[in-house]
This record gives sequence, structure tokens and C-alpha cells, in this order.
Amino acid sequence: DVKVTQSSRYLVKRTGEKVFLECVQDMDHENMFWYRQDPGLGLRLIYFSYDVKMKEKGDIPEGYSVSREKKERFSLILESASTNQTSMYLCASSLEDNQPQHFGDGTRLSIL
Amino acid sequence: RKEVEQDPGPFNVPEGATVAFNCTYSNSASQSFFWYRQDCRKEPKLLMSVYSSGNEDGRFTAQLNRASQYISLLIRDSKLSDSATYLCVVIPGGSYIPTFGRGTSLIVHP
Repeated sequence: DVKVTQSSRYLVKRTGEKVFLECVQDMDHENMFWYRQDPGLGLRLIYFSYDVKMKEKGDIPEGYSVSREKKERFSLILESASTNQTSMYLCASSLEDNQPQHFGDGTRLSIL
Repeated sequence: RKEVEQDPGPFNVPEGATVAFNCTYSNSASQSFFWYRQDCRKEPKLLMSVYSSGNEDGRFTAQLNRASQYISLLIRDSKLSDSATYLCVVIPGGSYIPTFGRGTSLIVHP
């Protein structure tokens, strides 16, 4: 079974802080993704990566950056957290093109 | 027009009922299709892939209609535990970037 692990289930930070969300997958998947999910808006893609050190912007990259230094780890960084970044953040991975994604448990992030 | 559209519901059905959801997609080059289930405040979990010939997994049946560009999910003999949001996912050919529908809410009551 694929295991995607996110570093925190719940996180509370202050406006202006730099926030790191970590995601690790154990199945040697090529592709990794970061989403946020808000009520009524569905899943929105922030960034994705198809290989080590490669990254591509998704639909809502503003205010975020990512890092993929190792194949199994994909980090999401909020450069200067703002209250409108309060959300559920979901990491996912997939083996290759046209394959389904597997999600981590999610991180509920609150920015005060 | 949204790329993947679902009726948000909620579909409110009694235990034992049969219920069906549809999901339409706009990209005719789409090649891979999936249904996910998401419980409240939890992550989406893969329910089943959708194959061209249709496929069944226990009480769940998924079908693809390429001509009309929609996929469907049929749930027979609904259980209380089937209450969740069902997300439709479509991936264009040669891509690894899925498009998610916003989900259909199902409530199964006693």
C-alpha cells in the first residue's frame, strides 16, 4: 500500500511567519502534488513536481514555493503566511502519467 | 465551462436504495478516469478506476461514455457508511495532472 505522510495534522502559525509543510511518499513515485481545499471551492492545485528538483506552477501558486531535493520528499513553503492561507493542505503522489493519485492525511493550517 | 462538472447534491437516500451520480468532462482527449471518496475533514481516497468497458467492485459500478463525455458511478444497496462526498477525476492523455470535480455529496439515512 502506498503511504503518503504529511508532517503535521494541525498547525497554527502567525501572520508573516515562514511556514514549512513536509510530505514524504514511500513508493518511489515520480509525481508529487500540493493542493489546498476550501469549502465550496474543491481541490485547487498549488504546485506539482514530476522529478527531483523539477517544479511546475499549478492554478494558485501565489504566496507559495516548493522544494523537491529528494524523490520521496516534496515541501510546500508559505513565504510570509497570511490569514487567507488558512486552509486544508493535501499532498498527493502518483507513479506516472495517467495513474491515480494517493493522498496524505492533510494538514489543517490556521494563520492567526 | 468547467472542465469537470458534478451535481453537488446532496443526494439523500434511504438505506438499501440504489443511487447514481454522473460527472461530465469537457476535454475529449481525456484518457484516465477515477472516482474518489472523501469523508468529512479527511483526505480523498481512491474508490475505483473507470475503464472503457465499465467495471464493477462489489456494490459499486463505474461506467464511461466517451461519446457523451461523462462517467457514472452506481451504488447498489446503499449503506449508512456510504455517506461521503464522491469526487470525479479526469486525466488528459499523456498527462499526469488530474482535474477534479467539486464532488457530489451523498447522505444515506436509516
